[in-house]
Amino acid sequence: QVQLEESGPGLVKPSETLSLTCTVSGGPTRSYYWSWIRQPPGKGLEWIGYIYHSGTTDHNPSLKSRVSISLDTSKNQFSLKLSSVTAADTAVYYCARRRGDDWYFDLWGRGTPVSVSS
Amino acid sequence: DIQMTQSPSTLSASVGDRVTITCRASQSISSWLAWYQHKPGKAPRLLISKASNLENGVPSRFSGSGSGTEFTLTINSLQPDDFATYHCQQYSSYVYTFGQGTKLQIK
Repeated sequence: QVQLEESGPGLVKPSETLSLTCTVSGGPTRSYYWSWIRQPPGKGLEWIGYIYHSGTTDHNPSLKSRVSISLDTSKNQFSLKLSSVTAADTAVYYCARRRGDDWYFDLWGRGTPVSVSS
Repeated sequence: DIQMTQSPSTLSASVGDRVTITCRASQSISSWLAWYQHKPGKAPRLLISKASNLENGVPSRFSGSGSGTEFTLTINSLQPDDFATYHCQQYSSYVYTFGQGTKLQIK
């Protein structure tokens, strides 16, 4: 049974870079799109971006060029870096799997809370 | 981006009730809509895709309908396990967007 688990610091200082990792267990990373999604307090879910097993990436234009997503197939992990964070980036961050031809998310992690504060 | 609006934001109901949650899109998304169930501390769970396709293992008391801009998630005969937050997501546009969520709580 494939499972996803997010990990990373729960506190990041303003203007610094948020770094999170998602570990995929019980299955391969090939043939899927691996995404990051977040939910700020009191708000809805927001798609951040994805990486395909080939290395192709895309991200939500609202985050401009602050997003970087990478994939380490040898470790079955993918990672998110979000630069120049502000308090508005405080959220629960989820990793999720999207199938190739379907643009919804069939598998999610439990999420990890990240707070941006000095 | 396509805006998704769910209603109500909070819904109080009792075990055995039938409830309906609505999701409206700011423009037509055909049937490119998914529904998720989310419980605190757990991973969100995909319930329905393409507006009405029930995922494997999802109880048949869950159903989805709609197309274009208006969609509904219906839960027949609510069970204790169904109290959770429900999210809709459009995937007509590559910038996938979600509703703000509907919290289904025990009355």
